[in-house]
Amino acid sequence: AQSVAQPEDQVNVAEGNPLTVKCTYSVSGNPYLFWYVQYPNRGLQFLLKYITGDNLVKGSYGFEAEFNKSQTSFHLKKPSALVSDSALYFCAVPYSGSARQLTFGSGTQLTVLP
Amino acid sequence: DTGVSQNPRHKITKRGQNVTFRCDPISEHNRLYWYRQTLGQGPEFLTYFQNEAQLEKSRLLSDRFSAERPKGSFSTLEIQRTEQGDSAMYLCASSLARVIAGELFFGEGSRLTVL
Repeated sequence: AQSVAQPEDQVNVAEGNPLTVKCTYSVSGNPYLFWYVQYPNRGLQFLLKYITGDNLVKGSYGFEAEFNKSQTSFHLKKPSALVSDSALYFCAVPYSGSARQLTFGSGTQLTVLP
Repeated sequence: DTGVSQNPRHKITKRGQNVTFRCDPISEHNRLYWYRQTLGQGPEFLTYFQNEAQLEKSRLLSDRFSAERPKGSFSTLEIQRTEQGDSAMYLCASSLARVIAGELFFGEGSRLTVL
């Protein structure tokens, strides 16, 4: 079965520092991989996706993610964190039985400290 | 605002009662999804519609759960004989059929508390 894992429940980073939110995947074949963000009292928002091609994917709000096939990872990154980036981040992969079902990781709470 | 709209935003009910949630997707989106999210977990897929047809259902969707999208526009999710384990955030999302799966637009969710 296709799955993703987010090894860190919580990540704290100082404002202005680079941030990384980790995701590893278990997928047969070529993976489609996604990042979503959930701000407090808001719905999930799509950030970026990897389908094929360049291993560095750029998304919304200055985020990017690096696809690493050898390490089966798809870590979310941002060069300079903002306090407003504090939110819950989920990586996701389509369910093996259906591309229309997403399987989400358990989420990582990012806190950017002023 | 032309995003995905869900109501009610919060529902508190007693065990055994029926509840219904409504989702209004983005108007031009022909795909509509329901997910459930419990505290500390990522969203879990429940069901998916393309236009008015319910094409996929998760095994999580017990026979107490029913979803409809009668005219291919808004959708309802009904839970009959609620149980405390049904307490969760119910999320609706929509997308265009031509978009590769994953670019979903989510509503803010309907939080259910079963006492």
